[in-house]
Amino acid sequence: DTAVSQTPKYLVTQMGNDKSIKCEQNLGHDTMYWYKQDSKKFLKIMFSYNNKELIINETVPNRFSPKSPDKAHLNLHINSLELGDSAVYFCASSKTQDRLAGEETQYFGPGTRLLVL
Amino acid sequence: AQSVTQLDSHVSVSEGTPVLLRCNYSSSYSPSLFWYVQHPNKGLQLLLKYTSAATLVKGINGFEAEFKKSETSFHLTKPSAHMSDAAEYFCVVSRSLDMRFGAGTRLTVKP
Repeated sequence: DTAVSQTPKYLVTQMGNDKSIKCEQNLGHDTMYWYKQDSKKFLKIMFSYNNKELIINETVPNRFSPKSPDKAHLNLHINSLELGDSAVYFCASSKTQDRLAGEETQYFGPGTRLLVL
Repeated sequence: AQSVTQLDSHVSVSEGTPVLLRCNYSSSYSPSLFWYVQHPNKGLQLLLKYTSAATLVKGINGFEAEFKKSETSFHLTKPSAHMSDAAEYFCVVSRSLDMRFGAGTRLTVKP
């Protein structure tokens, strides 16, 4: 009955590799997000999709490419991984109608801990 | 533009004593305000939220927060800390698609 799930939970890889992180939510939400949390616990939004359409694209290197095959999934593909990409990546979801009503609550996944060596 | 400031990066209390985690916000609009908790190696869990209803909001695990517009504050309190409360706490201000997280306050609970 997991609400927002992410795979993998841990990812250790070499610099220069390409990797993907998957996110799925079974809450019936139609807005999904990717956040990056650095080693100092600072959380920064990267992307947001609403009904498979990109609505937020913060200043993120274009090595990061989100893909939303349907409303329940938002995957993050990272090309040419760099040391500075090491972080915890969180997926989140919410209901658009709640957001528009000013009552949005985002539900977070457990995080994917990425370590680039 | 919105922003949120958590006034303490680290708070340490003894078990059974009150907890106060301070948060000030800045927003041009009437914002929604949240507190999230993150236990070690876990995701973020919603503790409570304020969305322009009652100014005193009760959350899970005995936490509550009071929205004070005049002071632009949304401090989180709990009357009696438990060891299991040790975690990182994030204050969040949100308006439409703009959701801003505070830098976090690490709560340590001593036996």
